[in-house]
Amino acid sequence: AQKITQTQPGMFVQEKEAVTLDCTYDTSDQSYGLFWYKQPSSGEMIFLIYQGSYDEQNATEGRYSLNFQKARKSANLVISASQLGDSAMYFCAMTPPGDNYGQNFVFGPGTRLSVLP
Amino acid sequence: NAGVTQTPKFRVLKTGQSMTLLCAQDMNHEYMYWYRQDPGMGLRLIHYSVGEGTTAKGEVPDGYNVSRLKKQNFLLGLESAAPSQTSVYFCASSIAGGGYNEQFFGPGTRLTVL
Repeated sequence: AQKITQTQPGMFVQEKEAVTLDCTYDTSDQSYGLFWYKQPSSGEMIFLIYQGSYDEQNATEGRYSLNFQKARKSANLVISASQLGDSAMYFCAMTPPGDNYGQNFVFGPGTRLSVLP
Repeated sequence: NAGVTQTPKFRVLKTGQSMTLLCAQDMNHEYMYWYRQDPGMGLRLIHYSVGEGTTAKGEVPDGYNVSRLKKQNFLLGLESAAPSQTSVYFCASSIAGGGYNEQFFGPGTRLTVL
């Protein structure tokens, strides 16, 4: 079974600095998808970025980028130029191959990021 | 375009009471999901549906029932609520399953069972 580990329960970063949120995963599959979601204090889950296991380039979406190291089974989220609005919980998630219905969408426990003014 | 909506946003129940959570999506998505979120445990899948009239069990289905009578709606029912069901419940939908399709989430329902 797939498992996601996020070893940082809480992180602090100064406004305008970059921050890396760690995510490691455990799978024996070669084909899978990796996702990051943001959950602000208002509670909704917001999709941020996606990385396919066979994608050769690291995914980027605006200030978000994914540092994907397949051999190390890590998919760290990098947020550049942090803003106060980035303060939130961040969840790493993955789906394995053959997850035809999305029923095996596995989430990590999350990292709470606090951006300091 | 409202995306995924959930009603109610908050609810307090007494042990043994029943209730139904409603999820609606206007994106014409085939796949819908119900999750619960508990502190330190991320999200866990309760039930899911791959189309109108279909439902299937997820990781933690006990104590819950679901129905998908219309494509846009996915209902989660608690027949006899227990304190262990105190949680935040999220509905999500996806255009398709598989490893390459993100799930879009509703705003959540905070349920407290006393």
